[in-house]
Amino acid sequence: EVQLVHSGAEVKKPGESLKISCKGSGYTFTNYWIGWVRQMPGKGLEWMGIIYPGNSDTRYSPSFQGQVTISADKSIRSAYLQWSSLKASDTAMYYCARLNGDHIDSWGQGTLVTVSS
Amino acid sequence: QSALTQPASVSGSPGQSITISCTGTSSDVSGYNYVSWYQQHPGKAPKLMVYEVNNRPSGVSNRFSGSKSGNTASLTISGLQAEDEADYFCISYTSSRTHVVFGGGTKLTVL
Repeated sequence: EVQLVHSGAEVKKPGESLKISCKGSGYTFTNYWIGWVRQMPGKGLEWMGIIYPGNSDTRYSPSFQGQVTISADKSIRSAYLQWSSLKASDTAMYYCARLNGDHIDSWGQGTLVTVSS
Repeated sequence: QSALTQPASVSGSPGQSITISCTGTSSDVSGYNYVSWYQQHPGKAPKLMVYEVNNRPSGVSNRFSGSKSGNTASLTISGLQAEDEADYFCISYTSSRTHVVFGGGTKLTVL
């Protein structure tokens, strides 16, 4: 069974850094793109960017270029989403998702990030 | 602003059918037969309901069906049930470097 398991919820202050993770299991981790999705409170889903763990090819949606860093460590089957300086507007639920060719076929349970002074 | 356009809300009574639309462009919806639909209940992760326009994953009720005409894809839910009340999102494969684009989501209310 394909599973994506997120790291736990985070509460941070503005200006702090953060790295959240998503660990894949039940499939060949290096063979599928992993994407990150933001869902702000009460809002829709936003596609932030993708990474191919097999060769670390990373691509960002224009709105998120320069705002976050996506990375992966294939040796431990994990993908990461990182901020260097959080803002209150980064408060959201973040999901990782497996891209199976043309569609997302598996989602993580999400990591809730709260940024508040 | 999302790349794909969905109505903000739709509603229907139990037993009725409803259709949710998802409108894109030649770079996504009409360019490929790769539209997928997701259901999201409050506080839960999205769930794949339809992929490649009209295919259902194992375990998804046959009350959910998809179609496409030109730039617009549609999700139809027949025999509405209370448990269908949720948000629904469409995604299309796209020629962009990030592979997919999202719809803004539609809130389905079962009256």
